[in-house]
Amino acid sequence: SQTIHQWPATLVQPVGSPLSLECTVEGTSNPNLYWYRQAAGRGLQLLFYSVGIGQISSEVPQNLSASRPQDRQFILSSKKLLLSDSGFYLCAWSSDWDGELFFGEGSRLTVL
Amino acid sequence: QQQVKQSPQSLIVQKGGISIINCAYENTAFDYFPWYQQFPGKGPALLIAIRPDVSEKKEGRFTISFNKSAKQFSLHIMDSQPGDSATYFCAAIYGGSQGNLIFGKGTKLSVKP
Repeated sequence: SQTIHQWPATLVQPVGSPLSLECTVEGTSNPNLYWYRQAAGRGLQLLFYSVGIGQISSEVPQNLSASRPQDRQFILSSKKLLLSDSGFYLCAWSSDWDGELFFGEGSRLTVL
Repeated sequence: QQQVKQSPQSLIVQKGGISIINCAYENTAFDYFPWYQQFPGKGPALLIAIRPDVSEKKEGRFTISFNKSAKQFSLHIMDSQPGDSATYFCAAIYGGSQGNLIFGKGTKLSVKP
C-alpha cells in the first residue's frame, strides 16, 4: 500500500532563518507531488507541483522553493523565512491524475 | 473563472440533523468534483466525489447532489454525528490540468450532541 510521510510535524523558526520540509512517498512510482499551504480561514493554496524528477511548477510567487531530487521525494525550502510564511504545510501525491489526492499529515510552521 | 465558491464558512448542526454544504463554480471544463474531509491537525482525506454525468452520488450517510446547468454541487450529511465534526472542502478539476485541484475555502462543521 502507498504511504506518504512528511516531517517535521511542527516547527518554530525565527524570521530570516532557513526552512526545509521534507516529504516522501512509498509504495508507488512516478507520482505527481504537490505542496499546499493552509492558512486559517483561507483554504488550501497550491504552492508547487511536480510531475517528475527535477520538474517543478510554481503556482504562487513567493520566497519559497521546491525541489524533487528523487522520484518519491519532495522538499520545500526557503532561504529566509517571513512572518507570513507561518501556516500548515501539506504534501500530497496522486498517480497519473485520477482525481484523488493523498495528503500527508502536515507540518505546522510558526515564524516568530 | 478558476474559483470554487463554498458556503457556509461554518455550520452548527444538532446530532441526527442534516448538514448541507454548497459549492458553485464557473469553469464548465471542470469534470471531476471531489469532497475532502479534514480533522484538526490532520491532512484532508477524500470523502466522496462525482463526475458531471450523474446528478447524485450516495455513499452511506454522505450524498453529493450535482446541478450541471446551475454549475452547483452540494454535500449532504444525513443523520449527522459528533464524529462528523471536521472541515469540509469541495474541489474541482479538469482533465489535463496536471492534478491542480481548485479548492473551496472550506466549511467548519460542528455537530452538537
